[in-house]
Amino acid sequence: SQQGEEDPQALSIQEGENATMNCSYKTSINNLQWYRQNSGRGLVHLILIRSNEREKHSGRLRVTLDTSKKSSSLLITASRAADTASYFCATDVAGGADGLTFGKGTHLIIQP
Amino acid sequence: GAGVSQSPSNKVTEKGKDVELRCDPISGHTALYWYRQSLGQGLEFLIYFQGNSAPDKSGLPSDRFSAERTGGSVSTLTIQRTQQEDSAVYLCASSLTSAGRTEAFFGQGTRLTVV
Repeated sequence: SQQGEEDPQALSIQEGENATMNCSYKTSINNLQWYRQNSGRGLVHLILIRSNEREKHSGRLRVTLDTSKKSSSLLITASRAADTASYFCATDVAGGADGLTFGKGTHLIIQP
Repeated sequence: GAGVSQSPSNKVTEKGKDVELRCDPISGHTALYWYRQSLGQGLEFLIYFQGNSAPDKSGLPSDRFSAERTGGSVSTLTIQRTQQEDSAVYLCASSLTSAGRTEAFFGQGTRLTVV
C-alpha cells in the first residue's frame, strides 16, 4: 500500500539554488524518513524525524513535519550537481505492522 | 561489518522459470524488508520480516511469490513461473529494530529480467 506521495514528481533547478520537495501521507505515523536513490539501485537514508518533532537539520538538509496536515518537506540548500538523484519519503504506520512504506519519489536534477 | 548484500546482482531468466533471490542483512538487524521497483517508479512493498516471522505479507503480488527468513538472518525471495511483468529491481533492506523506528539500510538490489 502506498502511504506517502512526493510532490513534485520531477524538479530541475540551477546549481546553488535551494530545492524543496514535499511528502503527504494518509494515516498516523510514528516516524517519517527521507531517502535518496542514485541510478535506480540501493537507497541511502538521509534523515529520520519523529512524530513529536517539527523540524530537523542535517548539514544542508532541513526536514519539517506537520502531523496536523500529514505532510513533510525536505529542503536541500545550496544545491550541487551531485545532489541529482531521486528522493523518497518513507513512513511506518502507527500501531500497524506494514513495515516501511515509500512514496513514488521526486526526481531532482541539478543543472550545472 | 559489510552492509546489506544481495545476490545475484543481475538475473536474466526465461518466462516460466523459477528464480530465487537472496538477501544477507546486516548482522543483528531484526527487521528485513523486500521491495520491488519497476523502471522509473517508486518502491512497491512486498513483505516485511520481524525476526523469522512475517507480520505483513500483504504486498506479495500473487501466490507465485514467496519469501522466507531462517535463523533471523538470510532471506530468500522466490518467484515461481516467472512472467515478463515480474521484470524489475528487487531491493532488500534491514533495520536494527522494528519497522520505521530506525533507519533502513538497503542492498544494491537484484535486477531481474524475464525474457
